[in-house]
Amino acid sequence: DSGVTQTPKHLITATGQRVTLRCSPRSGDLSVYWYQQSLDQGLQFLIQYYNGEERAKGNILERFSAQQFPDLHSELNLSSLELGDSALYFCASSVAGASNTEAFFGQGTRLTVV
Amino acid sequence: EDQVTQSPEALRLQEGESSSLNCSYTVSGLRGLFWYRQDPGKGPEFLFTLYSAGEEKEKERLKATLTKKESFLHITAPKPEDSATYLCAVQGSGAGSYQLTFGKGTKLSVIP
Repeated sequence: DSGVTQTPKHLITATGQRVTLRCSPRSGDLSVYWYQQSLDQGLQFLIQYYNGEERAKGNILERFSAQQFPDLHSELNLSSLELGDSALYFCASSVAGASNTEAFFGQGTRLTVV
Repeated sequence: EDQVTQSPEALRLQEGESSSLNCSYTVSGLRGLFWYRQDPGKGPEFLFTLYSAGEEKEKERLKATLTKKESFLHITAPKPEDSATYLCAVQGSGAGSYQLTFGKGTKLSVIP
């Protein structure tokens, strides 16, 4: 158990809908990262928050947004969903924001868009 | 742009048959190279971090090494429970250096 908690584990929704994925980082970790994993692309970085503030952005679509709350949990919001958004979404956390510390991953949310 | 290429894509070994997985990378200023293990439908599990060329780290049957262009994950006398996908990732010091850039992984199957 990495200590990173993601909910829900599975989510099935229709095209055009909006969903929210939730992540609770390990105790003491200030950074939260969101990754998308699809069969053909591997793990792709979406966005990072550090202590409530956005720190870095990857290939995140404009339809997607995230935030980190004062208690350090984070939410990833996906809107106007398309079939291609079906993937595993992982949250990871680390102690620091920009150093070479290892990140620990949650068990993921499997999103299926039908 | 940081890039990571892992080979082979898939590897089948007999139990006890040692081998190595390769991770080639290009990065602007390496902050760290990370190895993770991922079981199907699960999140990546952290294994090692390597920071500079020449560094080695070991954990049970696994040993990771690093050069300026690649890293190897050596698996000695593997067991069926070592079957998983092994992911390599780099963290650079260029723009967007905070995230990890992952390779697509090597799927290892160890046959009893």
